[in-house]
Amino acid sequence: SQQGEEDPQALSIQEGENATMNCSYKTSINNLQWYRQNSGRGLVHLILIRSNEREKHSGRLRVTLDTSKKSSSLLITASRAADTASYFCATAYSGGSNYKLTFGKGTLLTVNP
Amino acid sequence: SQTIHQWPATLVQPVGSPLSLECTVEGTSNPNLYWYRQAAGRGLQLLFYSVGIGQISSEVPQNLSASRPQDRQFILSSKKLLLSDSGFYLCAWSLRDRQDPPLHFGNGTRLTVT
Repeated sequence: SQQGEEDPQALSIQEGENATMNCSYKTSINNLQWYRQNSGRGLVHLILIRSNEREKHSGRLRVTLDTSKKSSSLLITASRAADTASYFCATAYSGGSNYKLTFGKGTLLTVNP
Repeated sequence: SQTIHQWPATLVQPVGSPLSLECTVEGTSNPNLYWYRQAAGRGLQLLFYSVGIGQISSEVPQNLSASRPQDRQFILSSKKLLLSDSGFYLCAWSLRDRQDPPLHFGNGTRLTVT
């Protein structure tokens, strides 16, 4: 299976701290994406990193990708209570019209005020 | 701007009853369309995806089927629901003619089969 696996499954931190989530995958990919899901809602795209990129930033988010280790990390700096959600990594391994994303099981992040 | 509508938000159905979940996209043409299912505490499982009207690819064998009667309409169906069909069903779309497009999700349908 090409499914990504997030680690840890759950993470609880205090507001203002940084949160780091990891994702590992099994085969070659075109890109890796991170999504956020609030409880009972759909997923929202956060950030995408292509296979030829090593690091990417977007606001308080920092994503790294190590294709040799088949792993990625998502860092949320200066966390807020509103960051409480589940975070999923997703890998794309097909291009063009056959484009599909495979999602991991997610990390549940709880930010305590 | 593009929007995606998915309904109903929640559904309780008895075992053996039929199912029809609908998803429509506005503000874009010729999108790729997807149906995912999310079991409690688990990741998303891709059920079906479509690259055009009448073109459906099934990812896993199951009790469900999908149809795309119009460019921006995607329907998930079952003739007879099983208990194992319970879950959170998410529809999504992506741009076809773009490199590495993100997926845009609807707010999901919580299906409980009793």
